[in-house]
Amino acid sequence: DQQVKQNSPSLSVQEGRISILNCDYTNSMFDYFLWYKKYPAEGPTFLISISSIKDKNEDGRFTVFLNKSAKHLSLHIVPSQPGDSAVYFCAASESRSYGKLTFGQGTILTVHP
Amino acid sequence: NAGVTQTPKFQVLKTGQSMTLQCAQDMNHEYMSWYRQDPGMGLRLIHYSVGAGITDQGEVPNGYNVSRSTTEDFPLRLLSAAPSQTSVYFCASSYSTGQAFFGQGTRLTVV
Repeated sequence: DQQVKQNSPSLSVQEGRISILNCDYTNSMFDYFLWYKKYPAEGPTFLISISSIKDKNEDGRFTVFLNKSAKHLSLHIVPSQPGDSAVYFCAASESRSYGKLTFGQGTILTVHP
Repeated sequence: NAGVTQTPKFQVLKTGQSMTLQCAQDMNHEYMSWYRQDPGMGLRLIHYSVGAGITDQGEVPNGYNVSRSTTEDFPLRLLSAAPSQTSVYFCASSYSTGQAFFGQGTRLTVV
C-alpha cells in the first residue's frame, strides 16, 4: 500500500527549461509535505516543504504546489541547471507524527547542458 | 558542525551475524529515525524515536531493534542478518517541524 507515489521514474530536461516533478498521496491525514534531493552515495538533503494550509511555497528556483482536493503536489525547478541532476523524493507526514516520513519511490532528474 | 553521523559507511555480513549501525547527531534534535532504501521503493521507515527512552516501530521493523538512551545517539541493531536486509540504511534527525536531516548512509550487504 504505497501512500505516496511518484509515477515517473525518470525525467530528462534541457538546461534552462522548467522541470516539473509530480507526487500523489492517498492518506488524507498527511498535512506536511517535503521534497528531498539525493546524489549518489550521499544522504537525502532537504529542498523545500509545504504545509497543507498553503497551496504554494517558493524558494529561489524551486516552487512546490499543493492541490489538496486532488491529493497531488508538484515541484517546479526554473530554470533547470545540470547541477540539479539527482534523484528527487517526495515525502509526507502527519503533524502529530513528526519524525515519521513516508516517501515516494523517487524520480531521477537529468538536466542536459 | 557534524550534523548526523553514521558509522560504518560500508559493511559486509554473513547470514546469521549480528551488528549495530551507529547514528549520532549534534543538533539536539528530539526526533530520530532509521530508514532503509531499496531500488524502486524509496525510503521506508524502520524505527523512530520522539525522545530519549521512547521508541516505536515504523513500516518495516522486523529483524531490527533500537534503543535511545541519550538525545544524541540512536543505534540500530540487526539481531540475525538475512540477505533480505541487504540495503542502504539512513539515519535522520529533526525537530518537531518535520524537516529531517539525514546521515550519509550505511551500505550493508548480507551474504
